[in-house]
Amino acid sequence: ILNVEQSPQSLHVQEGDSTNFTCSFPSSNFYALHWYRWETAKSPEALFVMTLNGDEKKKGRISATLNTKEGYSYLYIKGSQPEDSATYLCASPPKAGNMLTFGGGTRLMVKP
Amino acid sequence: KAGVTQTPRYLIKTRGQQVTLSCSPISGHRSVSWYQQTPGQGLQFLFEYFSETQRNKGNFPGRFSGRQFSNSRSEMNVSTLELGDSALYLCASSMAGWNTEAFFGQGTRLTVV
Repeated sequence: ILNVEQSPQSLHVQEGDSTNFTCSFPSSNFYALHWYRWETAKSPEALFVMTLNGDEKKKGRISATLNTKEGYSYLYIKGSQPEDSATYLCASPPKAGNMLTFGGGTRLMVKP
Repeated sequence: KAGVTQTPRYLIKTRGQQVTLSCSPISGHRSVSWYQQTPGQGLQFLFEYFSETQRNKGNFPGRFSGRQFSNSRSEMNVSTLELGDSALYLCASSMAGWNTEAFFGQGTRLTVV
């Protein structure tokens, strides 16, 4: 069984703060690492899919890094805005196919 | 293009009954996966279908089953419902590989009373 863990569980920040979360996963049999954003009453939305050690991806104010050798990924949000409030999930497939094992998520709340 | 569509959005069933949930993937996506979300367990993988075949299965009892049709639409069925089956059921569609993003539907909220 592949265990994917995220920390912290929740985070309260002020508008304008930069923040980051961690996703840990077993480094053996690595296929990919996914990040999703899940806003209340909406569907989870993909942010990044990363496959290579050292990968860095960026979308606007959000970026992510990947270290497959040590089994972790960081998600960074620069200058948080209230609309960034959501649960951020990371997931990894334990084998080939679209079978994702999700972490418990980090719930981010950005206060105006 | 149209997103992933799940029906119904909400459902209330009685213990012992069975239920069928439906998922229409994005056009061109051949992989459909199902997930269960409960407050205590987070998102748990149920099964994945690809080209009408079950490709992967999660650790759920045999009461949970699914199928995929030739147009890639998928259904999941839960028989002999238990109170613990109350959850949000999410469907996701993807292209073929494991390194492509999953597109999720809005889910079906099942309540078992």
